[in-house]
Amino acid sequence: KQEVTQIPAALSVPEGENLVLNCSFTDSAIYNLQWFRQDPGKGLTSLLLIQSSQREQTSGRLNASLDKSSGRSTLYIAASQPGDSATYLCAVTYNQGGKLIFGQGTELSVKP
Amino acid sequence: ETGVTQSPTHLIKTRGQQVTLRCSSQSGHNTVSWYQQALGQGPQFIFQYYREEENGRGNFPPRFSGLQFPNYSSELNVNALELDDSALYLCASSSPGLNSPLHFGNGTRLTVT
Repeated sequence: KQEVTQIPAALSVPEGENLVLNCSFTDSAIYNLQWFRQDPGKGLTSLLLIQSSQREQTSGRLNASLDKSSGRSTLYIAASQPGDSATYLCAVTYNQGGKLIFGQGTELSVKP
Repeated sequence: ETGVTQSPTHLIKTRGQQVTLRCSSQSGHNTVSWYQQALGQGPQFIFQYYREEENGRGNFPPRFSGLQFPNYSSELNVNALELDDSALYLCASSSPGLNSPLHFGNGTRLTVT
């Protein structure tokens, strides 16, 4: 069964701290992996998409890495800010244009 | 560029009723997917439409059905509503081509009482 797991489920850090969110997937034959941000009661905003042939992607203070062989991805957030508080979801797909399989998310709280 | 828009934003229905949720895809996007997100959970894939045809379906019963129109907008219909259908329903669109990311709307919050 293709499953995605995110650890931790919740995380609270002081402002300015660097942090890492973890995502693991059971079937390593992914097509790509995407990280999303979700604010309370809102839709999902795509942060980074990593193709299966890539090792990492960067956007501003965000860096996502992918290790297909071990079935893992990490989202690194540098110099966290209160505005980063949200739920972060990772999702994988196994074919082009196919369905996304999501983890349960990590709820991040950055305290001023 | 107009993003993905969903209507209504909130909806309250009674068990046994039927509901229709609507989605306008982002300009240039011909693929629409629907997801159900229960509270505290990740979204679950319901189905996908490509050029007005269903192109993949998740583990949802037949009372969940959909349509895609020539302008690529879409509807999700749920018949015989159950309490467990209470969730945030998300629509996402994408453009053709390799590795195009999904763009999500803000969802419709459905409450079944």
